[in-house]
Amino acid sequence: KQEVTQIPAALSVPEGENLVLNCSFTDSAIYNLQWFRQDPGKGLTSLLLIQSSQREQTSGRLNASLDKSSGRSTLYIAASQPGDSATYLCAVRPAVTGNQFYFGTGTSLTVIP
Amino acid sequence: AAGVIQSPRHLIKEKRETATLKCYPIPRHDTVYWYQQGPGQDPQFLISFYEKMQSDKGSIPDRFSAQQFSDYHSELNMSSLELGDSALYFCASSLAGKRGYTFGSGTRLTVV
Repeated sequence: KQEVTQIPAALSVPEGENLVLNCSFTDSAIYNLQWFRQDPGKGLTSLLLIQSSQREQTSGRLNASLDKSSGRSTLYIAASQPGDSATYLCAVRPAVTGNQFYFGTGTSLTVIP
Repeated sequence: AAGVIQSPRHLIKEKRETATLKCYPIPRHDTVYWYQQGPGQDPQFLISFYEKMQSDKGSIPDRFSAQQFSDYHSELNMSSLELGDSALYFCASSLAGKRGYTFGSGTRLTVV
């Protein structure tokens, strides 16, 4: 079974800092990887999707990279803002077994004004 | 753009009651997934449907059942509710084999 780990579990940074969130997964045979944002008690908002053949995806201040062979992905947030405060989840879809995503436990980000 | 619609948004039930959660996927999406997220937990996969047939089954209790209808909406039926069933229940849809998931806002179920 695919296991997904996110480090750190919580992160607090001052506004304006650049930061990196890490995601690692145990089985490199993946179809794609998706980063989500979740506000407290709310739904999951998709941020970036990286197909297994891709190395990175960018959207605005967000950049996600994928190193499939080492089982790692990073989410880079530039010039962080208080509105970025949320929990960030990465989810991996295996290439072979089924369609479900396996989620990490998330990184809780707080950006201090 | 249309999103995944879930209803109800909030639901309070007593132990041993039943509950039905509904999910309306994005138009033309043919695959629906159900996830359960307990407090402080990551989402856990319950079940998925592709073209109205069950495609994958995860950690869904036997007390729960689900189906996808001809219009592609899906319902999750939960019986003999237990306190531990209190959670956020997410539905997501996708176009099979392509792109990623789009999640709904979830249904918060509280069992008292």
